[in-house]
Order: sequence, then C-alpha cells, then structure tokens
Amino acid sequence: AQSVTQPDIHITVSEGASLELRCNYSYGATPYLFWYVQSPGQGLQLLLKYFSGDTLVQGIKGFEAEFKRSQSSFNLRKPSVHWSDAAEYFCAVFLGIQGAQKLVFGQGTRLTINP
Amino acid sequence: DAMVIQNPRYQVTQFGKPVTLSCSQTLNHNVMYWYQQKSSQAPKLLFHYYDKDFNNEADTPDNFQSRRPNTSFCFLDIRSPGLGDAAMYLCATSRGRTLEQYFGPGTRLTVL
Repeated sequence: AQSVTQPDIHITVSEGASLELRCNYSYGATPYLFWYVQSPGQGLQLLLKYFSGDTLVQGIKGFEAEFKRSQSSFNLRKPSVHWSDAAEYFCAVFLGIQGAQKLVFGQGTRLTINP
Repeated sequence: DAMVIQNPRYQVTQFGKPVTLSCSQTLNHNVMYWYQQKSSQAPKLLFHYYDKDFNNEADTPDNFQSRRPNTSFCFLDIRSPGLGDAAMYLCATSRGRTLEQYFGPGTRLTVL
C-alpha cells in the first residue's frame, strides 16, 4: 500500500544550525511529493513540491528537498534555521490512481528550535 | 488576496448536538476537500467535491456529511458529534486535477 513515513517524531536543533527532516515513501509509480509546514493552530502551508525533473527542489523560506529514487526518500533541508521555523512539518505523496485523487500525509515531525 | 477562509476558527459543541463548519474560497477552484486532523496526527481526508460531484472516503463515518451549494462555499455537517470527533478540521482547494492544494487555517472543534 502507498504510504509516507517520517521516522522522526520530534527534532530539536539550535538556532543557526542546519536541519534535515527525513521522509520515505512507498509508491509503485513516480511519486508526486510535497512538504507542508503547520504552525500551531494554523492550516498547512506548502513549502515545496517535486513532480519531475531536477531532483533538488527549492522552496519558500530557504528550504530545499532532494528526491532520491534509489532510497525512496524526499528529505527536507535548511542550512540555517531560524526561531520562526519551529512548527510541525508534514511530508505527503499524491495518489492519483483509479479516480482517487488525494494527498496521503506522513505522521509529521515537530521541530523545536533552541535559542 | 485570494484565499481559503474557515469559520468559525473555534467551535464548541455538546455531545450529540449537530454542528456545521463553513469553508469559503476566493480562488475559484473547482475542487474542495475536508480533512480531519486529531491532536499530534496527520490530516486525514474525509471527502472532497470535484465540481458538484461528491467523493466520500471509504472509512469516513456516516456521521459526517458535506454540502456544496456553489463553487465558493462548502460545509461540513457533523450530525451527532461524539467526544472522538474533537479535532482540527481543515478545508483545502485545488484547481481541477492539479496537485497543489491550498489550505485554510482550520476550525478547532471541541466536544463537551
């Protein structure tokens, strides 16, 4: 079955440090992959997406992600985090098979920033 | 700015008392979605409208219904809320079969 796994439930990094959030997917065809961010009590905001082409994609707020087919991964990175990056991050895969058009989300990774 | 609006942002209801959550959009998108997100969990799709066509997820309880009177508005009705229905409810929109969904800020439902 198609699924998305975010192995890290909670990550803490210091402000200014680099960040990598992991995402692994299980999907037979070429996946359409997304990263969303959710601040407390808010809706989801799209950070970036991968459909095809260049496997390194740039997003908003200084984030990037790299699609690695051999590892079934789509990890999110940022070279230097800011206190405002503290939030919940969700990886998602789009399922578009047999009329089922929907996003399937990973469990999320909560990011805490130490000052 | 074009956006997805959800009202109210916070809703408190009593066990078993019907409640309606509202979503409106100015994006003129023809697809609208309702997600349920329980505490510390991923959003889970309940159903979506593609134009006027209603698409229910197989595991969405019958207690949840939806209406879409026009392109701009979509409602989520919970006929008899239980304590387990307390959650954040997220509305999202997309243009046709494009993959990018735009989310509203959510309505947090409390059931007493």
